[in-house]
Amino acid sequence: QVQLVQSGAEVKKPGASVKVSCKASGYTFTSYDINWVRQATGQGLEWMGWMNPNSGNTGYAQKFQGRVTMTRNTSISTAYMELSSLRSEDTAVYYCARVPDFNWFDPWGQGTLVTVSS
Amino acid sequence: EIVLTQSPATLSLSPGERATLSCRASQSVSSYLAWYQQKPGQAPRLLIYDASNRATGIPARFSGSGSGTDFTLTISSLEPEDFAVYYCQQRSNWLFTFGGGTKVEIK
Repeated sequence: QVQLVQSGAEVKKPGASVKVSCKASGYTFTSYDINWVRQATGQGLEWMGWMNPNSGNTGYAQKFQGRVTMTRNTSISTAYMELSSLRSEDTAVYYCARVPDFNWFDPWGQGTLVTVSS
Repeated sequence: EIVLTQSPATLSLSPGERATLSCRASQSVSSYLAWYQQKPGQAPRLLIYDASNRATGIPARFSGSGSGTDFTLTISSLEPEDFAVYYCQQRSNWLFTFGGGTKVEIK
């Protein structure tokens, strides 16, 4: 079955960077965009950006421009999201999600908790 | 950027009752609207795509309707496992946005 499995929880200090991975299985990795969405504790969903695994093209929400980088390694069907200059407000669960038909997300990864604390 | 406004923020209902959730877009999104269910500690799950199509494996008690700027998610008869938070989501150009969510809680 189609599945996205993310890397484990991270604890980072303010100013550091974090890189979260998302390994795809059950489908052809290069056929569908991967997007990243985050959710602070008790808050709603916030879209961060998209990546086309075939071309490597990306698009980022304006809020994260300059701080986020989305990449991939097609040989191991894995997408990555790196967020730099971390601050306490970046503490959240980060999800990857496949976009099967341009307009919606399915499935989602299990989420990766990133905690930013001094 | 298109803003999605969900109402009400919280819906208090009993099992067996009908739930009606609203999502309003700041400008037309045609029929490109999706709904997700999220339970505590879990990732969101796709329920409805393109406004009215149920995703694979989603029970028939879930239905979506609307187009343009006004959309509705209806749960015809609430089951105990349906108490959760529901989000709507749209795509415009290559930008995605989510609504703020509606929590369906047990009355």
